[in-house]
Order: sequence, then structure tokens, then C-alpha cells
Amino acid sequence: QQPVQSPQAVILREGEDAVINCSSSKALYSVHWYRQKHGEAPVFLMILLKGGEQKGHEKISASFNEKKQQSSLYLTASQLSYSGTYFCGTEIGGFGNEKLTFGTGTRLTIIP
Amino acid sequence: SAVISQKPSRDICQRGTSLTIQCQVDSQVTMMFWYRQQPGQSLTLIATANQGSEATYESGFVIDKFPISRPNLTFSTLTVSNMSPEDSSIYLCSVNSFYGYTFGSGTRLTVV
Repeated sequence: QQPVQSPQAVILREGEDAVINCSSSKALYSVHWYRQKHGEAPVFLMILLKGGEQKGHEKISASFNEKKQQSSLYLTASQLSYSGTYFCGTEIGGFGNEKLTFGTGTRLTIIP
Repeated sequence: SAVISQKPSRDICQRGTSLTIQCQVDSQVTMMFWYRQQPGQSLTLIATANQGSEATYESGFVIDKFPISRPNLTFSTLTVSNMSPEDSSIYLCSVNSFYGYTFGSGTRLTVV
């Protein structure tokens, strides 16, 4: 079952904040976040392992609620370069059973 | 993180023919993954390829349609067989590492 992301699309002005949510129907081992720009391959942003951690990467951070099988990606003070489609990716198996299932995607547009 | 060379980058093929996509990784990896991404959609896992064993296919994908080879730990091919216009899509290979999943640049396939 594919993880469901919300919102499907969002338009922000430069400097505004955004939250993208990812919800799974299965118990998760890890959650990944990727950004894909048009015509390019997805690029890894971060991984969160079960244990309910929160991670940060510059002005982009994420949280993982293992019990709720949900993750959120936080984009603060958005920049034009943040535009693209964001995908969460979920793994239900651990080491040796890796298989990444991508979420439905969220298209983020940043306008000046 | 690993660097993947994928080719061809694009092709236009006649229906009923086959196309083989190649991925070369700059380091040895246990598993390689093949994804399909239809226009404006998320990525869907086709199969997982382990060296020395048959690939494991996801629901909806069969070996006769998408045969995969994995002759060594740095190389894999995916063949799209007996193509129809519905096979028009972007095909990506991927490997997993400590730095998340890395993707090839993709093969944009158009079937006419």
C-alpha cells in the first residue's frame, strides 16, 4: 500500500514555511524524504529510523511518529531552490530487507 | 554515495519491440532496484535485483515482461519486452547506501 502524502500541492512565497505529511497503513522501519526536480532523478534529503526521532538539514527538518506511522517534513524560510516534488519513501523491513515504497508526492512551488 | 551511470537516457521505440536499459554503479552493491515513473506520478518499484539470484518482482510486474539481469555487483539491466504505448514511462535504477537511495538519471521511453 502506497503511503499517502498531504497536501498534494502547495504554493508558497519565498520565505514562507511549509509542512508535508506522509501517512502509512503499515508499521515502518524507516522513512526517507526525497526531492525531485522536473526532468531529474529524486535526490535524498534525509532518513528517519523507527524510534521517533527528529532530524534537521539546514532549514529542512523532519519528524517520525512510529506509533502513528506518520512522518512530517518541515521547510522553513523557503527558498526558490526548494521548488520540486517531494516524496516520502517508507521501508517496512530492516537491514537485508530493504525495499523503498514511495508516497504519492507533494508538488511544492516557491514564488518570489 | 554511489554514482550510477544509466543508459540510454531516452529512446523512442516501435510497439512490439524490446529495449534494454543498463545501469553501472561505481561501487559494489548487494541490491539494485528498478523503478518506473509515469508522467506526473510517483515512483513504482518494479523489482529488486540481487547478484547471483533471480530478481524479485512486485505485484503487477512479471519476469516475461521485464526480465532483469545482474551479472555482478556493479551492473544490472532491465529489458522492457514486447512494448506497447502503455509502457511509455521513465525507468530508473537505484541502489541503497548509508546516504539513502541513489538513482540513475533515468531512461525516458516513448513507445509509438
